[in-house]
Amino acid sequence: DQQVKQNSPSLSVQEGRISILNCDYTNSMFDYFLWYKKYPAEGPTFLISISSIKDKNEDGRFTVFLNKSAKHLSLHIVPSQPGDSAVYFCAASGRGTSYGKLTFGQGTILTVHP
Amino acid sequence: GAVVSQHPSWVICKSGTSVKIECRSLDFQATTMFWYRQFPKQSLMLMATSNEGSKATYEQGVEKDKFLINHASLTLSTLTVTSAHPEDSSFYICSARDFHSFTEAFFGQGTRLTVV
Repeated sequence: DQQVKQNSPSLSVQEGRISILNCDYTNSMFDYFLWYKKYPAEGPTFLISISSIKDKNEDGRFTVFLNKSAKHLSLHIVPSQPGDSAVYFCAASGRGTSYGKLTFGQGTILTVHP
Repeated sequence: GAVVSQHPSWVICKSGTSVKIECRSLDFQATTMFWYRQFPKQSLMLMATSNEGSKATYEQGVEKDKFLINHASLTLSTLTVTSAHPEDSSFYICSARDFHSFTEAFFGQGTRLTVV
């Protein structure tokens, strides 16, 4: 039972354009969502997060949007850079003691072409 | 962000032997640490939650006698893979939650285990 889903295994974008990575979840108890960037044989690096009480959070080139009614979130990267090429995971967390206990999506491989 | 150090970064061991992986929070106290496993081209799957001073909580399907977790201090958790088999070969990653933070956890660099 995949509670967090990233339905696009890969995404290819031209440098300077916008990258949009999508994520859907099924568990209504999730109330905190995160995006991580990961390279092979390395641990995930935290990018940006959003609480369920918000619908948007922005940090530099990264913006995360949350649509609670649709149980959908997306990560926008603009402008995209070749250094952004990596695997992107969305993750979700519940309340209280479940914070830090993350359920991950399958990941989306982002390739940004020069 | 906070720093979590995981050691070793890679290890090769023979079937039947045990391997210990360490996870340290370097600049914060981690009351809770988490151990994940990632198989090739798959997502990270939570194996267990490690709580300082108490027994770990294992996810369904994870053998607690095979994956021994010890969290003896606020900065160190260890995962020991006992009697390793080739199917235990995987990428193991720990994360730690800052005692004073109730949001994200920070990840170690991961350990590539190969059992031959």
